[in-house]
Amino acid sequence: GENVEQHPSTLSVQEGDSAVIKCTYSDSASNYFPWYKQELGKRPQLIIDIRSNVGEKKDQRIAVTLNKTAKHFSLHITETQPEDSAVYFCAPRVHLGAGSYQLTFGKGTKLSVIP
Amino acid sequence: NAGVTQTPKFRVLKTGQSMTLLCAQDMNHEYMYWYRQDPGMGLRLIHYSVGEGTTAKGEVPDGYNVSRLKKQNFLLGLESAAPSQTSVYFCASSYPQVGNEQFFGPGTRLTVL
Repeated sequence: GENVEQHPSTLSVQEGDSAVIKCTYSDSASNYFPWYKQELGKRPQLIIDIRSNVGEKKDQRIAVTLNKTAKHFSLHITETQPEDSAVYFCAPRVHLGAGSYQLTFGKGTKLSVIP
Repeated sequence: NAGVTQTPKFRVLKTGQSMTLLCAQDMNHEYMYWYRQDPGMGLRLIHYSVGEGTTAKGEVPDGYNVSRLKKQNFLLGLESAAPSQTSVYFCASSYPQVGNEQFFGPGTRLTVL
């Protein structure tokens, strides 16, 4: 099965600074790479994703970069704000065969933005 | 649209009791999933379904059963609850194509004493 690791497990930054979270995966067949954000007591929500044929994608203050050769992808948040404080999960997707796909979630990175 | 809903929101069980968690979605999604979330463990897939009448095991299926009799509903059953099943349970749904977002329900917090 897919082995997914996220680093760091916790991250504290000053408001306005940048934050980077890295996700490594083991299955070279993974072809879709999303990041989910979960605020305290809430459900996970997709914030950005990237497909295997693209190296970088940006959406305002957040971006995702993918290195398929090295099997890792990263979440970049610039100009952090207190509302960015949350747990972030990477979840590479692997095809299981017969039309079935599965996301394998990392253990999460708790980001704290200090005002 | 309500999106993905879960019933109940909270539940306390005694060891050995049974219960069913209900997930419903109104987005006409083919795929539905059940995850459990434990502190420091991320989300782990219990069972999933790729369509009405079909189910498959995920990463941690032991002690759980599921059914998908209607496309919009996905039920998770615990036949004999154990303290190790204390967790927050999330249901999710999606279209099957690559790049389609999984939409999560609000979660069910289950405590087994």
